[in-house]
Amino acid sequence: SQTIHQWPATLVQPVGSPLSLECTVEGTSNPNLYWYRQAAGRGLQLLFYSVGIGQISSEVPQNLSASRPQDRQFILSSKKLLLSDSGFYLCAWSVGLAGTYEQYFGPGTRLTVT
Amino acid sequence: AQSVAQPEDQVNVAEGNPLTVKCTYSVSGNPYLFWYVQYPNRGLQFLLKYITGDNLVKGSYGFEAEFNKSQTSFHLKKPSALVSDSALYFCAITGTASKLTFGTGTRLQVTL
Repeated sequence: SQTIHQWPATLVQPVGSPLSLECTVEGTSNPNLYWYRQAAGRGLQLLFYSVGIGQISSEVPQNLSASRPQDRQFILSSKKLLLSDSGFYLCAWSVGLAGTYEQYFGPGTRLTVT
Repeated sequence: AQSVAQPEDQVNVAEGNPLTVKCTYSVSGNPYLFWYVQYPNRGLQFLLKYITGDNLVKGSYGFEAEFNKSQTSFHLKKPSALVSDSALYFCAITGTASKLTFGTGTRLQVTL
């Protein structure tokens, strides 16, 4: 069966510090991968998605970047965190990119920027 | 453009009673509709989806949803609510675009 991992689970970082969040998927090959941010425990905003190694699409211009160095690894980064980067970050994967495929989510990383 | 609306911020129901969480949608072309559930400080879990075919879709944990094209709705239902069903529920849609667009979520509170 497929499993998705995210770490760390929680993170407290000062403004201006760098960020690296990692997501890995097990049990599947060539997944489509997604990064979402959930603010205030409600709406989800799609940040990035990837259909393959090195292929990243950005949905919203911002202070963050994403990379996919391996087939089942997706990394969210920032060089300098802002207060507004605080939130709950969720990684997800799907079998295909077409709209008929459901996405499966990781447990999330709660980031607090102080 | 595609969108979903969840008109109720919170739904309260007594355990054992039926529950309905409402969702309406707007999309060009055929809609692909999804329901997800989120427990506190956890990721989202996929419940069910409608792609085509039977308007009544059955999913995990006894949940079902009814697709109504004329009313552009996809309401989530369960015949008998459990306290453990208390969580945040999201309706989502994809259409011609392959990306999921989520509603704002509805908090379901089931009490004894």
